[in-house]
Amino acid sequence: EPEVTQTPSHQVTQMGQEVILRCVPISNHLYFYWYRQILGQKVEFLVSFYNNEISEKSEIFDDQFSVERPDGSNFTLKIRSTKLEDSAMYFCASSDHLLAGKNNEQFFGPGTRLTVL
Amino acid sequence: DAKTTQPNSMESNEEEPVHLPCNHSTISGTDYIHWYRQLPSQGPEYVIHGLTSNVNNRMASLAIAEDRKSSTLILHRATLRDAAVYYCILRDLGNAGNMLTFGGGTRLMVKP
Repeated sequence: EPEVTQTPSHQVTQMGQEVILRCVPISNHLYFYWYRQILGQKVEFLVSFYNNEISEKSEIFDDQFSVERPDGSNFTLKIRSTKLEDSAMYFCASSDHLLAGKNNEQFFGPGTRLTVL
Repeated sequence: DAKTTQPNSMESNEEEPVHLPCNHSTISGTDYIHWYRQLPSQGPEYVIHGLTSNVNNRMASLAIAEDRKSSTLILHRATLRDAAVYYCILRDLGNAGNMLTFGGGTRLMVKP
């Protein structure tokens, strides 16, 4: 069964450093998302991406964050200058349909645990 | 997205049915009811969704009240692997970004 993959599974970085989290969505999907989950808290939406541009973003997704689809398979989340509060699990997701009622379930990857020291 | 209310936690015995309730009294006519779950140390996964009629799939059943102000996710025979946090999420048909808004969900514990 096709699945979303994410690398690395765990990233440790120093405060102020740039990190890039990588995702490979399911191959025929067109819509891509990043979510994060701080330990013990809710899953929070960051950004959605379609047709090579951001469709929607949350307040969390400020100028320190960016997303890119550099080739036909990868979808990346970059944090330019990490802060302690960026420590969280970051989940990538993809779906093949936009409408909430169509069979457009979002498929989530296993996540990347980001630890900022 | 309209708000949903779920109990913080529920307990079940293995191989017994589980009914997970969700209240969504402010649901609008174009809101679909989606359920996702998050197994320990994993990303969320889709369970089921519906609009007005009850729905069944290989994982679960979704019973939707006639006034749509509440719904119930039914696991017919809980297994230990069903221990997870279950999220009830409303999604507007017209939501262009199509993001999922997760609440606290219900933590289901399954006892052997």
